[in-house]
Amino acid sequence: DAKTTQPPSMDCAEGRAANLPCNHSTISGNEYVYWYRQIHSQGPQYIIHGLKNNETNEMASLIITEDRKSSTLILPHATLRDTAVYYCIALYNNNDMRFGAGTRLTVKP
Amino acid sequence: ETGVTQTPRHLVMGMTNKKSLKCEQHLGHNAMYWYKQSAKKPLELMFVYSLEERVENNSVPSRFSPECPNSSHLFLHLHTLQPEDSALYLCASSQGGLPSGNTIYFGEGSWLTVV
Repeated sequence: DAKTTQPPSMDCAEGRAANLPCNHSTISGNEYVYWYRQIHSQGPQYIIHGLKNNETNEMASLIITEDRKSSTLILPHATLRDTAVYYCIALYNNNDMRFGAGTRLTVKP
Repeated sequence: ETGVTQTPRHLVMGMTNKKSLKCEQHLGHNAMYWYKQSAKKPLELMFVYSLEERVENNSVPSRFSPECPNSSHLFLHLHTLQPEDSALYLCASSQGGLPSGNTIYFGEGSWLTVV
């Protein structure tokens, strides 16, 4: 079973920031939180990951709460091509990146 | 382009056939993975190879047989499959293990249909 919970779906207006929440209250102190997305019929695409500190790269920002019980993925300026299923993942055990159901993000014009 | 290439992208096979899926990574990684994604189900880890040694086998039926001849190539040999084995099979690679915070990169997948 996945250690993370996410809302099943979200909408976002094109050009606005998309904020995708994830709860992971049971992860241990040394477990990283990863975000991937999957566009239909394609393999999952890596977005970002972090442990304790907030992280930013060219795709997104990851905000992790101080108690590490939850995090938020931020796509600063969503485009139609960002429509996908977004997965928040904590490792199930060594080498097993256990994906849950994810959040289906729909970016609307 | 993720640096992980899978062939074929689509495969249709009968239940008595023998076929293979191929994966090649161009990232210099030392760990490779096979995942299965069935319709409306989460990804399931099947096999993990680290430094060409199998380190994990998640109770996968013997009709699926992996092979890792070197750190850049991974095969999944398929034999006498069932229709319920129809799925998207994903290959992935990483440099080092996941618990260390390394990133796993996925290929585009091979769509398998068993008829």
